[in-house]
Amino acid sequence: GQQLNQSPQSMFIQEGEDVSMNCTSSSIFNTWLWYKQEPGEGPVLLIALYKAGELTSNGRLTAQFGITRKDSFLNISASIPSDVGIYFCAGVTPLGDNDMRFGAGTRLTVKP
Amino acid sequence: DVKVTQSSRYLVKRTGEKVFLECVQDMDHENMFWYRQDPGLGLRLIYFSYDVKMKEKGDIPEGYSVSREKKERFSLILESASTNQTSMNLCASSRVDNSPLHFGNGTRLTVT
Repeated sequence: GQQLNQSPQSMFIQEGEDVSMNCTSSSIFNTWLWYKQEPGEGPVLLIALYKAGELTSNGRLTAQFGITRKDSFLNISASIPSDVGIYFCAGVTPLGDNDMRFGAGTRLTVKP
Repeated sequence: DVKVTQSSRYLVKRTGEKVFLECVQDMDHENMFWYRQDPGLGLRLIYFSYDVKMKEKGDIPEGYSVSREKKERFSLILESASTNQTSMNLCASSRVDNSPLHFGNGTRLTVT
């Protein structure tokens, strides 16, 4: 199936810094989703994007649905220690049938 | 809030045992999913279901089966557990096609 390339694989940053991660694919998607997973928990939806070019914010988080429909990015501004976790992108293909693909995740560590 | 509950957080089983992983959702969602999560590989779909008594194979169904006798419950079955099935298993549900998934907290299965 279509692959999602998520980068970077991991990030070690200082509290207060901004963070940027992205997902790319050779195929187009109808929907882009960003999830966060904290240790010992399941992934929790952060932001959902349904339209090419859409830019959506959720507090300090901002995500965009790429205009080509093949990519998406997530930015976190002014990081805090509780931002620690694994962030996953997910894309839903135009094939429907719940064909959702996940990136391999970006592990974020924030040093106080 | 949607609640997806997985009956066990941790399971330790022996090779060859039959294993049941249970998942219940309380929002009358039509769709339910079982994913496997392994480091560096992201989330991979094992099986999913659109409706009661209905099931579809995902990307990695080998060695697994599922059961959906009631709308709110989706069980993952390992007929004969093997060590390569040691992983985090995540259940998810969603309301309609392509809507965001809601995840449970996961069952970490260890097969020795």
